[in-house]
Amino acid sequence: EAGVTQSPTHLIKTRGQQATLRCSPISGHTSVYWYQQALGLGLQFLLWYDEGEERNRGNFPPRFSGRQFPNYSSELNVNALELEDSALYLCASSLLAGGASTDTQYFGPGTRLTVL
Amino acid sequence: AQKITQTQPGMFVQEKEAVTLDCTYDTSDPSYGLFWYKQPSSGEMIFLIYQGSYDQQNATEGRYSLNFQKARKSANLVISASQLGDSAMYFCAMRETAGGTSYGKLTFGQGTILTVHP
Repeated sequence: EAGVTQSPTHLIKTRGQQATLRCSPISGHTSVYWYQQALGLGLQFLLWYDEGEERNRGNFPPRFSGRQFPNYSSELNVNALELEDSALYLCASSLLAGGASTDTQYFGPGTRLTVL
Repeated sequence: AQKITQTQPGMFVQEKEAVTLDCTYDTSDPSYGLFWYKQPSSGEMIFLIYQGSYDQQNATEGRYSLNFQKARKSANLVISASQLGDSAMYFCAMRETAGGTSYGKLTFGQGTILTVHP
């Protein structure tokens, strides 16, 4: 069974540009999560999508947005890129639609975004 | 607010020996889940083991076991018979529900870098 996939692997942008990151969950998983892993800041929760709806978002500005498609894949958009947006962006998926505390999140390989 | 603390920035272990990675957590909710992930230098987060707050027994998965002490709010990961491939960053994480509603997110600790020596 294929795991969570993310594209692109690496992305280089300049300040002020927009970045689009993509994620395909494990087959049968309906929930998708996005995390940012920046140097010195650890792993920070960005967004949670379930059944096409945004269920929760972390403490990030509105220029971080996303969506979930009918096939449960997801897209993360970062507008007006800033230097501090340089990070590894990890996508995860889980099986249980309710997002119970028992629900295990499985992660993809990540997209490394570099903002110059 | 929930909080996860990993107090060991780095740990060293000899191949074939056991090692314990510490994790303490803080939550006021009675229902929560605790997870351990491994992150090799490639960056991908690999799920290792899960412990639920209501589980009566400590979780085990192959060479991984979780020493869950609920009263002390600790969930230490024990890796037995360490292998060179175990060298990686290890994260403890918690998923909390509040009044039966999940916020979806995992809150991660700062991580512990484990180095296995031959």
